[in-house]
Amino acid sequence: DARVTQTPRDKVTEMGQEVTMRCQPILGHNTVFWYRQTMMQGLELLAYFRNRAPLDDSGMPKDRFSAEMPDATLATLKIQPSEPRDSAVYFCASGLVPRGWTSGSPLNTGELFFGEGSRLTVL
Amino acid sequence: AQSVAQPEDQVNVAEGNPLTVKCTYSVSGNPYLFWYVQYPNRGLQFLLKYITGDNLVKGSYGFEAEFNKSQTSFHLKKPSALVSDSALYFCAVRDIPGGSYIPTFGRGTSLIVHP
Repeated sequence: DARVTQTPRDKVTEMGQEVTMRCQPILGHNTVFWYRQTMMQGLELLAYFRNRAPLDDSGMPKDRFSAEMPDATLATLKIQPSEPRDSAVYFCASGLVPRGWTSGSPLNTGELFFGEGSRLTVL
Repeated sequence: AQSVAQPEDQVNVAEGNPLTVKCTYSVSGNPYLFWYVQYPNRGLQFLLKYITGDNLVKGSYGFEAEFNKSQTSFHLKKPSALVSDSALYFCAVRDIPGGSYIPTFGRGTSLIVHP
């Protein structure tokens, strides 16, 4: 049963500490998304990768957040230094964009598959 | 530009009654529309999608959604609600052609089904 795997599931840390969250996308998927969910803001897109290349990270605070895909089986989201306002649930999602994708392609139906999330609490 | 609105933060329904969770959208071209469900302490789970064709789309767990182009709506429905349907429901849209691969999600609607 293919699924997106995220670690850790829960993380409690102190302000100023570095936090790294990891995601293993579904094998064969070529797009990865990082979202943050809070009660106040709902779901916020932080970063989007296609074929391991970052295509959109406009929603990510650049001064403290960084997202990478060192290989096709691993995506990371790092916060350094962490702050209490970063407390949230962070989701990774993956999807498949067919070869030869264009924005108008009918093949690009694009449902996403989400991991179970990493709940971060920064004290 | 693409956007989606879920006008209700919460929907309450009695078990056995029909349920509707509302979604309206705005796109420049044609929409691809999605519904996802999130159970407590879980990730979002794909329920169903409208791409083209029949306006009534059937999905998982007995849910269906009706695409209405004139009203720019894609409401989620189920004929008979179960207590286990209680969850957070998200509508999402992508604009075709010309839009990006990135879907826009609504803020979510909390569905509470009372025994």
